[in-house]
Amino acid sequence: NAGVTQTPKFQVLKTGQSMTLQCAQDMNHNSMYWYRQDPGMGLRLIYYSASEGTTDKGEVPNGYNVSRLNKREFSLRLESAAPSQTSVYFCASRDSTDTQYFGPGTRLTVL
Amino acid sequence: SQKIEQNSEALNIQEGKTATLTCNYTNYSPAYLQWYRQDPGRGPVFLLLIRENEKEKRKERLKVTFDTTLKQSLFHITASQPADSATYLCALGDGGYNKLIFGAGTRLAVHP
Repeated sequence: NAGVTQTPKFQVLKTGQSMTLQCAQDMNHNSMYWYRQDPGMGLRLIYYSASEGTTDKGEVPNGYNVSRLNKREFSLRLESAAPSQTSVYFCASRDSTDTQYFGPGTRLTVL
Repeated sequence: SQKIEQNSEALNIQEGKTATLTCNYTNYSPAYLQWYRQDPGRGPVFLLLIRENEKEKRKERLKVTFDTTLKQSLFHITASQPADSATYLCALGDGGYNKLIFGAGTRLAVHP
């Protein structure tokens, strides 16, 4: 039981490049979330998926897209990376008691 | 707009003492409030959840209170240990799609 896994752990991009952050959970949870965390700020919700086949915008969705591929996987795509997207990205899933389980994070730097 | 405030300065305490962390919020009526622990370079880990109709919850050395009138939660760690040193995050839940709004966190350092 690996919980929530994320790949890659680290990534450096140049401005304008694209990439997809992968997330998977093996706990059979319906809801999944993508957050970004910046120094001195709380985790901010980018997108979430309440169930397989649905996605909705969070607080800071601009510049991102998501895909809920199946119940296990929820990916985050940056189509044209910008320096403002330098951050640590966390994926999470939620169980029936409202507890969220977080992955280890992806540290992204955009030059 | 919704706002959550946690002490931005680090809290330094001596081993064995009780650590008390504060979470204040405005312009929000959460269905529940959660506390998470985050160690450097790692994802947050859930600690406790308290719902709007509950005043206090305990788990081992942890205690959380929730005052919806004051719009405040207090998080206590009794008999603190150096291993409790971490950043503690407060998060408010909306009870709908269970989106969480996080505070910036308070760093706790427990000294031997």
